[in-house]
Amino acid sequence: DAGITQSPRYKITETGRQVTLMCHQTWSHSYMFWYRQDLGHGLRLIYYSAAADITDKGEVPDGYVVSRSKTENFPLTLESATRSQTSVYFCASSAARPGPGSGYTFGSGTRLTVV
Amino acid sequence: AQSVTQPDIHITVSEGASLELRCNYSYGATPYLFWYVQSPGQGLQLLLKYFSGDTLVQGIKGFEAEFKRSQSSFNLRKPSVHWSDAAEYFCAVGPNSGGYQKVTFGTGTKLQVIP
Repeated sequence: DAGITQSPRYKITETGRQVTLMCHQTWSHSYMFWYRQDLGHGLRLIYYSAAADITDKGEVPDGYVVSRSKTENFPLTLESATRSQTSVYFCASSAARPGPGSGYTFGSGTRLTVV
Repeated sequence: AQSVTQPDIHITVSEGASLELRCNYSYGATPYLFWYVQSPGQGLQLLLKYFSGDTLVQGIKGFEAEFKRSQSSFNLRKPSVHWSDAAEYFCAVGPNSGGYQKVTFGTGTKLQVIP
């Protein structure tokens, strides 16, 4: 089915381990985003990408790495997980910059627990 | 810098009652404004958006929002709430000029609907 899918839905990992969260979209949207959602903070942008091979930092990029070799995929890697990275992670995509007809489409999220 | 304030963390309304969720933004010019809804365990879904023109915007699921420039507000309304509207609602603001399309989300308002 067309859409934006995230995997896994749930992940428990240990402190210091590397973990990768996957995001795949089928619309060929140019823009893709990674947000984390924490109580009291709403959604905070980690990284975004305007196109394949173009990525940039958001508000809270420390400890995260992204890549975008293909338009449809935008994986997020925690290089050495810390407890403060326990959160719900959302991937989103958008066809264009905010303007008539645009808006973000979100995946269902990955709940990550770092123990 | 742009910002969004949702002053109500939690709101409880009776089914059939009217609803108004508040959103105040800070931005130097006329921004793009959005309302998203998040059901438990799900990603965010776009309810409606404002870019220009008519200040009363109609969205999905019977929601509407009114842009008031003088008050820097974009409040979400629904005349009669249904039990299925129980969810968390996020207001968001984005720039209306070129370049990186940074969208800032509020911290959300959780809506409880009682029978």
